[in-house]
Amino acid sequence: DTEVTQTPKHLVMGMTNKKSLKCEQHMGHRAMYWYKQKAKKPPELMFVYSYEKLSINESVPSRFSPECPNSSLLNLHLHALQPEDSALYLCASSQGVGWSEAFFGQGTRLTVV
Amino acid sequence: QQQVKQSPQSLIVQKGGIPIINCAYENTAFDYFPWYQQFPGKGPALLIAIRPDVSEKKEGRFTISFNKSAKQFSLHIMDSQPGDSATYFCAASKKGAQKLVFGQGTRLTINP
Repeated sequence: DTEVTQTPKHLVMGMTNKKSLKCEQHMGHRAMYWYKQKAKKPPELMFVYSYEKLSINESVPSRFSPECPNSSLLNLHLHALQPEDSALYLCASSQGVGWSEAFFGQGTRLTVV
Repeated sequence: QQQVKQSPQSLIVQKGGIPIINCAYENTAFDYFPWYQQFPGKGPALLIAIRPDVSEKKEGRFTISFNKSAKQFSLHIMDSQPGDSATYFCAASKKGAQKLVFGQGTRLTINP
């Protein structure tokens, strides 16, 4: 199984809502990542978890809150988002530190209204 | 130094042609160079990757050529098909790093 599964696939939320994005992998990977991708742009790194600990936060606003409950799961909690936060949110995982054989999920298309 | 410059931004090729996408980097510490293929509305998928100890790597119809002295690498797609129409991103990383530096992407269209 080489899948990274993200739910939901699509999400529309108001600026006062609280929602969560979920990501799951069963490849035994110990590093998991959140990326944000705007249209016609490359993915931008947001957070990295290594062995269930947050190792990189790319100065992401606090309205985005990551959580890694266990080695297979990664969540991104969203609160008080702005319309400019609308994007494709991608989860990825890799076996260990470093980017060899990293796999991306299908993404969650988020629209903030 | 952390940039990866990718060209062209967009490319249109006839079916059966050989599109070539080029990338250049500055940071000599980079030692892992993957290419990702992304279809609209989908996540990027790892296509092929190379390390600097080889000058060429082939996987099916996809070939990476690597020129360490010029700090350049390129993707060639042999016998291109309309189904290869997608956005392609080159990227680079260094050993132990948890960051992948992406190029800006190339939107490839293969006409039937």
